[in-house]
Amino acid sequence: DVKVTQSSRYLVKRTGEKVFLECVQDMDHENMFWYRQDPGLGLRLIYFSYDVKMKEKGDIPEGYSVSREKKERFSLILESASTNQTSMYLCASSPVGGVSFEQYFGPGTRLTVT
Amino acid sequence: AQKVTQAQTEISVVEKEDVTLDCVYETRDTTYYLFWYKQPPSGELVFLIRRNSFDEQNEISGRYSWNFQKSTSSFNFTITASQVVDSAVYFCALSSTFGNEKLTFGTGTRLTIIP
Repeated sequence: DVKVTQSSRYLVKRTGEKVFLECVQDMDHENMFWYRQDPGLGLRLIYFSYDVKMKEKGDIPEGYSVSREKKERFSLILESASTNQTSMYLCASSPVGGVSFEQYFGPGTRLTVT
Repeated sequence: AQKVTQAQTEISVVEKEDVTLDCVYETRDTTYYLFWYKQPPSGELVFLIRRNSFDEQNEISGRYSWNFQKSTSSFNFTITASQVVDSAVYFCALSSTFGNEKLTFGTGTRLTIIP
């Protein structure tokens, strides 16, 4: 079974803190994604990576950065957390190309910034 | 640009009733994939189905069925004889088959099955 794990289910941080959200997948997938989920807005793509050290901006990258030093790990970084970044963050991975395009999701991290 | 619309924000039905979740999409691509995901209260999105734009055959999997109509750009999902375990948020999503493999999600439909 594909497994995508996220470092925390719940996280509470203060405004201005630097926040790291970690995601690890165990299926050797090339693609990894970070989404945020907000009520009424669905899932919105923040960043994605199609290879080690490669990254591309998604639809809402402002205020975020990412790091992918190893194939299995994709980190989302909030350089200076703000209250409007309170949200559910979902990580996903997928194999490149082929007929799949299916993304496998982690359990999510509910981040509260106070 | 791609867009997925799930106009139904919340639906409640009594157990054993049938329910249909609507999904309408927009894309300029000639080939694409459509998906449905389920998000139970635990939070993790669970893949339900993928449909290639070339394949307009409807699909049935147990109590679940999907109706893909390219002419109306719709990919609707029906649950027959609903059960309490079907209570979840359901997302429809769209992916181009070219370039990167990003998914564009709808805003989701929260389905509540009343016992």
